[in-house]
Amino acid sequence: AQKVTQAQTEISVVEKEDVTLDCVYETRDTTYYLFWYKQPPSGELVFLIRRNSFDEQNEISGRYSWNFQKSTSSFNFTITASQVVDSAVYFCALSAGSSNTGKLIFGQGTTLQVKP
Amino acid sequence: NAGVTQTPKFRVLKTGQSMTLLCAQDMNHEYMYWYRQDPGMGLRLIHYSVGEGTTAKGEVPDGYNVSRLKKQNFLLGLESAAPSQTSVYFCASSTLPRELFFGEGSRLTVL
Repeated sequence: AQKVTQAQTEISVVEKEDVTLDCVYETRDTTYYLFWYKQPPSGELVFLIRRNSFDEQNEISGRYSWNFQKSTSSFNFTITASQVVDSAVYFCALSAGSSNTGKLIFGQGTTLQVKP
Repeated sequence: NAGVTQTPKFRVLKTGQSMTLLCAQDMNHEYMYWYRQDPGMGLRLIHYSVGEGTTAKGEVPDGYNVSRLKKQNFLLGLESAAPSQTSVYFCASSTLPRELFFGEGSRLTVL
């Protein structure tokens, strides 16, 4: 079975604080892809990052960074010096399976509120 | 520069009515998907297609039908709408193993 768990339903921080969004995944496949999407209040889904199972290097993009650890089946997302514009729902997703259909399994999402 | 376009954006139905959501993509993607988003449940896959003329069931297919007669279009049909189908529907397309490109969503209310 494949599953993505985002245990944090809602997080509230004050602007400039660092915040980490947790993502734990389950799959028996050795080849898989992990994703993060952002859904701002306007409702669209914005792609943030894709990581394949063979690449455990952490990635940094501006204030965003991702920590992929296969040993704990986690793919956590950190926002450094948060800003009000970071307020959104963030989804972690998994794509796996030998049939290679590309379908994503999403976590429940974490609502991040950044207060000024 | 359209990407993935969904129509309509909003619709209100009465229980038992039927309707079709249209998804069109202009990126020549082979793969297309229909998801629904409900509060606290993330996005759940309804149906998907791996190419023109093909469709397959996702996680929550009951009450929905789909068709992919043309590569660029993926239609989602509700034959007899129920209040439980009140949701926001997202269409997406991709070319593996890339990320999914999503439409803006269609908000459906069934009274």
